[in-house]
Amino acid sequence: AQSVTQLDSQVPVFEEAPVELRCNYSSSVSVYLFWYVQYPNQGLQLLLKYLSGSTLVKGINGFEAEFNKSQTSFHLRKPSVHICDTAEYFCAVRRGNAGNMLTFGGGTRLMVKP
Amino acid sequence: EAGVTQFPSHSVIEKGQTVTLRCDPISGHDNLYWYRRVMGKEIKFLLHFVKESKQDESGMPNNRFLAERTGGTYSTLKVQPAELEDSGVYFCASSQIRQGARTGELFFGEGSRLTVL
Repeated sequence: AQSVTQLDSQVPVFEEAPVELRCNYSSSVSVYLFWYVQYPNQGLQLLLKYLSGSTLVKGINGFEAEFNKSQTSFHLRKPSVHICDTAEYFCAVRRGNAGNMLTFGGGTRLMVKP
Repeated sequence: EAGVTQFPSHSVIEKGQTVTLRCDPISGHDNLYWYRRVMGKEIKFLLHFVKESKQDESGMPNNRFLAERTGGTYSTLKVQPAELEDSGVYFCASSQIRQGARTGELFFGEGSRLTVL
């Protein structure tokens, strides 16, 4: 079985500051990794994914994440955030040899302040 | 192209009543999933349909929950009778057979918020 831990439930940050949202996972098999974002009153939207290849993955809206196998982490970063990035962010994993079932972390609420 | 749509967006019922949530997946998507987020905790898998067949229902909490997908199009999730702990947001997601299996990307609806009083 796998699990996902998002260490911060809330992250307040000022506009134009950098941000890192942390995600650690545990799994005994290879996994695929995802970050989803939920803006207020909207559904979950895929931000980026790691399937294989380069460990640095770039997503939409200037976000990127780095897969670190030795630390079993997939932290999400953005060098300069905007007010419109205020949302809840979810890290998720899927087993490489399983169906499409995703295991989610508890979510991190990013609050960008002016 | 329309995304995944869910109805109702919010339902408030009393303990013991019945509620039915509906999900319309993206047209052509054979995979349909139900997830639930209870009280700000993690989003948890409930079940997975491939067309009209239940592929995996290991996440269904108990027999008060019944999911159907007759005809392999839209799906319903019925809770009968509802209990206080059923309150939360119920998400539906869909994907195509091949695309979903390769990339794991699911397309989510906005969720149905259920409040049981």
